[in-house]
Amino acid sequence: KAGVTQTPRYLIKTRGQQVTLSCSPISGHRSVSWYQQTPGQGLQFLFEYFSETQRNKGNFPGRFSGRQFSNSRSEMNVSTLELGDSALYLCASSLDLAGATQYFGPGTRLTVL
Amino acid sequence: DQQVKQNSPSLSVQEGRISILNCDYTNSMFDYFLWYKKYPAEGPTFLISISSIKDKNEDGRFTVFLNKSAKHLSLHIVPSQPGDSAVYFCARGDNDMRFGAGTRLTVKP
Repeated sequence: KAGVTQTPRYLIKTRGQQVTLSCSPISGHRSVSWYQQTPGQGLQFLFEYFSETQRNKGNFPGRFSGRQFSNSRSEMNVSTLELGDSALYLCASSLDLAGATQYFGPGTRLTVL
Repeated sequence: DQQVKQNSPSLSVQEGRISILNCDYTNSMFDYFLWYKKYPAEGPTFLISISSIKDKNEDGRFTVFLNKSAKHLSLHIVPSQPGDSAVYFCARGDNDMRFGAGTRLTVKP
């Protein structure tokens, strides 16, 4: 089975721009979670989608949003980018809701200049 | 590419006993490894790490062992407590992090 894929792998944007990141889960997995990884904050939970519905949300501003499509692929959008949004964004998929084994993608490294 | 593997999806132990969580890796170039603990609907929280120049690191009830020749690391929790019940991930530390699939630990009272 192919693993979790994330595109793009690297991205450079400037402040004020917006960005969309994509995640394709493992075939058959219905849950997709997004995380932000920064050196200072570690791994922080953004949100989780299951069957096209956001089921859980972390403590991030409304500039961070996401969605899930009927094929379980998910996108994450960040609007009005700030320097502090520079991070590695990880996506993880699992068969069911969080609590099940999660498989992480390689991440998208976003740099905001 | 599964560079970090956790082959046991679940583990159940009795309270007070030792929990041993295992992790294998394929790339010898990794500088350090981390263990994360995760509760449902939360992000994984950092637990303990080990540098590749060491073979053991201890923090309270948690000890991580690194066997470089076997490309294997393990997390020992002694004594195990019900509050330790969670999913545990091992990960390689890098700009481009790689996580194992996780092992669900259940500690029974």
